Amino acid sequence: NAGVTQTPKFQVLKTGQSMTLQCAQDMNHNSMYWYRQDPGMGLRLIYYSASEGTTDKGEVPNGYNVSRLNKREFSLRLESAAPSQTSVYFCASSEQASEVYNEQFFGPGTRLTVL
Amino acid sequence: QKEVEQDPGPLSVPEGAIVSLNCTYSNSAFQYFMWYRQYSRKGPELLMYTYSSGNKEDGRFTAQVDKSSKYISLFIRDSQPSDSATYLCAMSGVYKLSFGAGTTVTVRA
Repeated sequence: NAGVTQTPKFQVLKTGQSMTLQCAQDMNHNSMYWYRQDPGMGLRLIYYSASEGTTDKGEVPNGYNVSRLNKREFSLRLESAAPSQTSVYFCASSEQASEVYNEQFFGPGTRLTVL
Repeated sequence: QKEVEQDPGPLSVPEGAIVSLNCTYSNSAFQYFMWYRQYSRKGPELLMYTYSSGNKEDGRFTAQVDKSSKYISLFIRDSQPSDSATYLCAMSGVYKLSFGAGTTVTVRA
């Protein structure tokens, strides 16, 4: 039982390049999330998928796209990377995107640098 | 104004000291209040959660919520070097969690 896995662990891009961050969970969770973490800013939600087949914008969606490939996998794509997207990206999952209790399980993160 | 405010510290204490962490928030609709612990270069993991106002104790950790003041706290008793980490408060809103910035704690042996 690996929990939430993310690939790659590290990535360096040049401005304008594109890439996709991969996330998979093996806990049979319905909901998945992408966050970015920057110093002094905490975790900010980029996009989430409440259930397979649905995606919604979070707090900071500009410059990103997502795909919920199936129940297990949720990818994040940067179409044209910018230095402002240098950050640590975390994927998370939860049983459901409830209106109340919502324990989220996090992956180990991807450290992205855009030059 | 951020929805959740948390002093990022850093906080450095000697082993055995009591660590006190807190967050304030603005959204009165929050009902579940969580504390996540994040070790360096790792993902956050849930430490404790509390529903509504009140206290909850788990070993050396105590979480307090005061909804009337929109203020939550985490206390770590008899702190150990292994408690050195970043602690993030989080509040459960509609379909998502709202996180504080995190407080970095170092416990000196």
